[in-house]
Amino acid sequence: DTGVSQDPRHKITKRGQNVTFRCDPISEHNRLYWYRQTLGQGPEFLTYFQNEAQLEKSRLLSDRFSAERPKGSFSTLEIQRTEQGDSAMYLCASSPQDRGRGTPQETQYFGPGTRLLVL
Amino acid sequence: DQQVKQNSPSLSVQEGRISILNCDYTNSMFDYFLWYKKYPAEGPTFLISISSIKDKNEDGRFTVFLNKSAKHLSLHIVPSQPGDSAVYFCAASYTGTASKLTFGTGTRLQVTL
Repeated sequence: DTGVSQDPRHKITKRGQNVTFRCDPISEHNRLYWYRQTLGQGPEFLTYFQNEAQLEKSRLLSDRFSAERPKGSFSTLEIQRTEQGDSAMYLCASSPQDRGRGTPQETQYFGPGTRLLVL
Repeated sequence: DQQVKQNSPSLSVQEGRISILNCDYTNSMFDYFLWYKKYPAEGPTFLISISSIKDKNEDGRFTVFLNKSAKHLSLHIVPSQPGDSAVYFCAASYTGTASKLTFGTGTRLQVTL
């Protein structure tokens, strides 16, 4: 296993269509994160999973967005009724579980991203 | 509210010289800081991190310094190489937030020959 993978790498869609992205984390990592990056900005947190449980969602994640990690391995991010403002790079990251207070936090490792363009 | 700030959008340095990239933060709860490097059309690549219990961490050509009282950290690259040309992001997190990262807006480093 060489790292986090994402599919597809690029997606062009028309406004109003639904799109789904997939992320495969590093195999021994039980935490998985989704971020979104727009031009000129740093990545912004969207949501994260610990195993199959989605434990936090950003207010950036509108009702049109849904994420799943059904078996605690790969994850999917779906955007329904896409809008032009959804055009961005969608990044997935994974990390081992944080071992808690007093221990070093775990580093997140990112995949190559999926670049979405909504026409 | 930009909790992590990189006030220099770009930096140009000659090959072999030192590159210093700066980052400021406002949230005093942050206790873990990371630097990522990003090439166009790729995801961020982890470079180096530092916990708030330290003030310096070194890994090869990369050193990160943390000044908690000033809420400031910096990344030093010595010597700079043309392959270091990329966008560098500072990120921060704190215990209890599942390590979710808050990123700065990035600094584009250009290392010239």
